[in-house]
Amino acid sequence: DAGVIQSPRHEVTEMGQEVTLRCKPISGHNSLFWYRQTMMRGLELLIYFNNNVPIDDSGMPEDRFSAKMPNASFSTLKIQPSEPRDSAVYFCASSGGRQPQHFGDGTRLSIL
Amino acid sequence: AQSVTQLDSHVSVSEGTPVLLRCNYSSSYSPSLFWYVQHPNKGLQLLLKYTSAATLVKGINGFEAEFKKSETSFHLTKPSAHMSDAAEYFCVVTYMDSNYQLIWGAGTKLIIKP
Repeated sequence: DAGVIQSPRHEVTEMGQEVTLRCKPISGHNSLFWYRQTMMRGLELLIYFNNNVPIDDSGMPEDRFSAKMPNASFSTLKIQPSEPRDSAVYFCASSGGRQPQHFGDGTRLSIL
Repeated sequence: AQSVTQLDSHVSVSEGTPVLLRCNYSSSYSPSLFWYVQHPNKGLQLLLKYTSAATLVKGINGFEAEFKKSETSFHLTKPSAHMSDAAEYFCVVTYMDSNYQLIWGAGTKLIIKP
């Protein structure tokens, strides 16, 4: 079975540029999560979708961050404009019902 | 408020010896508990889960954990460590009826000495 698929695996860009991270959840899962992981703060939940609807975006750091889920098989996390402090590993996870979350391999983002 | 505490930030064991990673939780409700593992430059992989069935839970790669309600603990063990077990391990607790309110421990880095 295909797991959660994230792209790109690595992204290096200059500050001020727009960054788009992509996620394809496991088929049949109705919940999708975006996390950010840094050495300083550990793993942080950014936003949670259920049935394609954003339920809780209280973890989104600021207006520069936005996330969409246009359908059950695709989600994006966008940063515009990007800043060096956004450098982190961004994970997407999905789950169905009460089952545990399954994580993608992450996108390692470096903002120069 | 729910919380989860991983008692050791680093654990170092020799290859072939037992592994014990400690986790304590505080909860007013029946918890669901998980252990995840993260290898370097990889995502988080579910090792095992406890969801109010058997208190001794077996996971992948020879790991197991025992839910002890009286001690509010969910320690992760393995009888014999392999070099490939070197990774960071996260204990996670969630409300019974909430799929997304995961409470993450700070993680324990497991170091395997040859």
